[in-house]
Amino acid sequence: SQKIEQNSEALNIQEGKTATLTCNYTNYSPAYLQWYRQDPGRGPVFLLLIRENEKEKRKERLKVTFDTTLKQSLFHITASQPADSATYLCALVTAGANNLFFGTGTRLTVIP
Amino acid sequence: GAGVSQSPSNKVTEKGKDVELRCDPISGHTALYWYRQSLGQGLEFLIYFQGNSAPDKSGLPSDRFSAERTGGSVSTLTIQRTQQEDSAVYLCASSLDGRSNQPQHFGDGTRLSIL
Repeated sequence: SQKIEQNSEALNIQEGKTATLTCNYTNYSPAYLQWYRQDPGRGPVFLLLIRENEKEKRKERLKVTFDTTLKQSLFHITASQPADSATYLCALVTAGANNLFFGTGTRLTVIP
Repeated sequence: GAGVSQSPSNKVTEKGKDVELRCDPISGHTALYWYRQSLGQGLEFLIYFQGNSAPDKSGLPSDRFSAERTGGSVSTLTIQRTQQEDSAVYLCASSLDGRSNQPQHFGDGTRLSIL
C-alpha cells in the first residue's frame, strides 16, 4: 500500500540547534516533493519544492534533500528559533496526478 | 483578495443535515483543490478543478459529497445527509495553473463538527 511517513509525531529541540525532519514514502514515484508549515488553526503554507532529479535545495535557514533511492526527504532548519515551532508537512506530487499526497506531519517545538 | 478565503470558519450542525462550504481562490489562479484534514490524519485529497475541464472527483469519499466551481472562480463543497465521521477541517487551495511544480496556496479551512 502507499504510505508517506514522517519520522515522529513530535520533535523538541533547543533554540539555536538544527532541526532535522524525515519524510519516507512507499509505493510512490514522486515527480516533486514539497514541504509545508502549518500553524494551529491555519492552513498549510508552502516552504520549499524539490524535483526528483535534484539532490538538495536551500532557502535561507531551510534545506531540503531528496533521495529517490532511499525514498526519503530530509528537511533541516538551521539556527532554529522558537518562532519555527509549528507542524511541518511533506507532500508528494506524482507525474500526471493533480493533487498532493500528504504525510501526517511532525510537530516541532523549539525550546528557548 | 490576497489569499484563499474560506467561509464559514466554523460550522456546527446536526447529523443528517446538508452543509455548504465556500472557497474563494486567489484571483487569477485557475486550479482549485479541496482537501480534508481529520485528527491524526494527513490531508486527504477530495476534488480538483482546472479551468473549464471536467473536475477530478477521484478523492470524494461518497456520493454525499459534491462540489461546484462557478465561473472558474468561487467553489462550493456540499455534503448531504452529514454523518459524524464527516467532522473534520475542510481546506481549499489554489495554484496558478495546476502544474505539478507549483506550490498550492491554502485557506485557513472550515472546521466542521457534526453532532
